[in-house]
Amino acid sequence: DTGVSQDPRHKITKRGQNVTFRCDPISEHNRLYWYRQTLGQGPEFLTYFQNEAQLEKSRLLSDRFSAERPKGSFSTLEIQRTEQGDSAMYLCASSLTRSYNEQFFGPGTRLTVL
Amino acid sequence: AQTVTQSQPEMSVQEAETVTLSCTYDTSENNYYLFWYKQPPSRQMILVIRQEAYKQQNATENRFSVNFQKAAKSFSLKISDSQLGDTAMYFCAFSQTGANNLFFGTGTRLTVIP
Repeated sequence: DTGVSQDPRHKITKRGQNVTFRCDPISEHNRLYWYRQTLGQGPEFLTYFQNEAQLEKSRLLSDRFSAERPKGSFSTLEIQRTEQGDSAMYLCASSLTRSYNEQFFGPGTRLTVL
Repeated sequence: AQTVTQSQPEMSVQEAETVTLSCTYDTSENNYYLFWYKQPPSRQMILVIRQEAYKQQNATENRFSVNFQKAAKSFSLKISDSQLGDTAMYFCAFSQTGANNLFFGTGTRLTVIP
């Protein structure tokens, strides 16, 4: 399978714990995006990488969130001191550098904070 | 700021019939892209169809077509000959030319009834 993959698919944690999610983009895609999707809503943009450089961050990305993409391949999204409001589906997407920005999505990581 | 509105939270259609999902958006930009994404239950989001704002011709992909009305800022999706596999959440999304993120609507849950 050459699509976008995410790990884990589900994560249950207690409030205050740290969690880390991983995204493996389509191999030739140099752009990688993180989105958050809460129940009944569409995905909301969090951050974007061009190769290994994090070029844009949404105001939704609080100081407790950090994302990395070492070597421009896979990416990790870490949430520190989780809060119940962090419960959501975290989606990763990747794309080539094209003007029409067609993004390919992974299956998501569903986070539940108790 | 760009906004995308989907005013139909839920819709249903009989198998083999035609259904139209509505989407309106707000932007001050002249060049942009519009997308319809499909998110089947417990499966990842996939692109259904894309429209470039500078093209007057409506995009079509097999049973899927759009009605793009630029002046009205309207972008509806028509699904012909509906199939059971079309049951999913459908998200309308907007991307400004040169931008790095997608703005999504809240989605329409479509159920195809056998």
